[in-house]
Amino acid sequence: KNQVEQSPQSLIILEGKNCTLQCNYTVSPFSNLRWYKQDTGRGPVSLTIMTFSENTKSNGRYTATLDADTKQSSLHITASQLSDSASYICVVTSTSGTYKYIFGTGTRLKVLA
Amino acid sequence: DTEVTQTPKHLVMGMTNKKSLKCEQHMGHRAMYWYKQKAKKPPELMFVYSYEKLSINESVPSRFSPECPNSSLLNLHLHALQPEDSALYLCASSPNTGGYGYTFGSGTRLTVV
Repeated sequence: KNQVEQSPQSLIILEGKNCTLQCNYTVSPFSNLRWYKQDTGRGPVSLTIMTFSENTKSNGRYTATLDADTKQSSLHITASQLSDSASYICVVTSTSGTYKYIFGTGTRLKVLA
Repeated sequence: DTEVTQTPKHLVMGMTNKKSLKCEQHMGHRAMYWYKQKAKKPPELMFVYSYEKLSINESVPSRFSPECPNSSLLNLHLHALQPEDSALYLCASSPNTGGYGYTFGSGTRLTVV
């Protein structure tokens, strides 16, 4: 069964600290993996997208990694800011079928001053 | 224009009302999607349109009726909703259903009273 699991479910950190969010998937065949940031009550905004051959992708203070062998991805946030408080969702796309866009359950991040 | 625009941003409706949600994009995307998202949960797919034709209906109740009048516009007609239908409704689009270039709108916050 195609699944995407994220950990931790929620996380609280102090402003300026770094953190790492995890995403494990069992989706096959694999096409790509995205990380989204979603503010409360808003639509998800894409942070990074990685294909099978990409190990690392950065977008400002956000750095995503992908290990296609172990089917794991991480999102590292450097020097966190209050505006980083949001849900972070990992989405994996499969190449099979008409549509295979599989959402993880998300990690809710709270950055405190 | 690289946005997906959803209107209205907020909607409160009674259980006997008929209302519509609107989604518009001018990126030339030929796949458009409706998602429903409850609080603290990932988005759940409702409908997929590909080249203005309905290609996926995820067993959504008939009180939700999608419509794709042209390649830029996607509507969701609502009738006789229940309070449990209250949620954030997200529209998204992509060049095709291949899983790349996926863009979400900001959503419509729907409350059924």
